[in-house]
Amino acid sequence: AQSVTQLDSHVSVSEGTPVLLRCNYSSSYSPSLFWYVQHPNKGLQLLLKYTSAATLVKGINGFEAEFKKSETSFHLTKPSAHMSDAAEYFCVVTPPRSSARQLTFGSGTQLTVLP
Amino acid sequence: NAGVTQTPKFQVLKTGQSMTLQCAQDMNHEYMSWYRQDPGMGLRLIHYSVGAGITDQGEVPNGYNVSRSTTEDFPLRLLSAAPSQTSVYFCASGRPTLGYTFGSGTRLTVV
Repeated sequence: AQSVTQLDSHVSVSEGTPVLLRCNYSSSYSPSLFWYVQHPNKGLQLLLKYTSAATLVKGINGFEAEFKKSETSFHLTKPSAHMSDAAEYFCVVTPPRSSARQLTFGSGTQLTVLP
Repeated sequence: NAGVTQTPKFQVLKTGQSMTLQCAQDMNHEYMSWYRQDPGMGLRLIHYSVGAGITDQGEVPNGYNVSRSTTEDFPLRLLSAAPSQTSVYFCASGRPTLGYTFGSGTRLTVV
């Protein structure tokens, strides 16, 4: 069994300040982990993925995430927020070599960027 | 442009009507899935397919049918629409361990 918890439903930051979106997971196996971003009225776009290689994963648009097995966490960070980062972010977990049935989404974190 | 194409983008149905949401991908992906997105609930899997001729149920399959006659297409059928099916529907293709490509969604309202 697996689950994913996004610890904050809403995060608000000022433009130019760091972003931290928190994700904890639970999995019986070594999971694959993803972050997706969804801008208003758009589909989901893959930001980055962890699939058991380097624990620090770099994604698009300056985002990165660190897989910490001991803390069962996969938090998403960005050093400096931009107005265009305002969107909803989803953390997703799946076991390795899984079927589509086992893709589990978090409930999402809405990021607001203030000018 | 390569990707996942969903049609229509918006649809209003009356209770009891049926319709088909279309999904096509041009990336030769074996895996395709349908999700519904409701406020505060993330995305929930409706049906998925691991290749032409192979489909299976996800978390919330009731009231929906799918078929996969080709690698490219994966339509979702609502048999008799209900207000509880008001949602945003996303089609996706790819590989679970490598990441999915999502379509831009269909916003469905059932009145």
